[in-house]
Amino acid sequence: QVQLVESGGGVVQPGRSLRLSCAASGFTFSSCGMHWVRQAPGKGLEWVAVISYDENYKYYADSVKGRFTISRDKSKNTLYLQMNSLRPEDSAVYYCAKGGRDILTGGDYWGQGTLVTVSS
Amino acid sequence: DVVMTQTPLSSPVTLGQPASISCRSSQSLVHNNGNTYLSWLQQRPGQPPRLLIYKISNRFSGVPDRFSGSGAGTDFTLKISRVEAEDVGLYYCMQTTQFPWTFGQGTKVEIK
Repeated sequence: QVQLVESGGGVVQPGRSLRLSCAASGFTFSSCGMHWVRQAPGKGLEWVAVISYDENYKYYADSVKGRFTISRDKSKNTLYLQMNSLRPEDSAVYYCAKGGRDILTGGDYWGQGTLVTVSS
Repeated sequence: DVVMTQTPLSSPVTLGQPASISCRSSQSLVHNNGNTYLSWLQQRPGQPPRLLIYKISNRFSGVPDRFSGSGAGTDFTLKISRVEAEDVGLYYCMQTTQFPWTFGQGTKVEIK
């Protein structure tokens, strides 16, 4: 069965960096686009970034563009989110979500999430 | 960005009775390829989101047939034919026709 397990969250000071990971299993990782979506405590869902199955396309929300970088390692079936220059408003649970080969499809499976808290 | 607006934001329902949630987008969700990428997600308390419906009306694997989706263009609806206790939670519409993906504010379904 499809499994997505996020890790790497924690408490970090403003301006610092953090790298999130999402270990994928149960499907052909190299054939699927992958997304990061976040949810601030008690708030709704905010899409963060996507990487296509072939890494030819990467898109970011304006709120993270230039600070966050999405990447993947097909040999490890792992998705990453490098987060630099973190701000208090980046505090949220970060979910990875499986996409399809078509970059417009996705959100069919979600991980349990990892909590990031940006605070001094 | 496409703005997604859900109504109502709260829906108290009696067990066994139907529930309906509306979602309106600020622009048409019909892609150039003819598909409409409108999905519905369920988020139970303390859980991650779960896909219920994709491309307006297609139930995802394992989703009970009491859930159904309909609509076109900019107006969409999620219906639960008979609400069960396990349906309590937040429901979000989501568009993936264009980036950035955007979500509705969420509708809370609770039992009266």
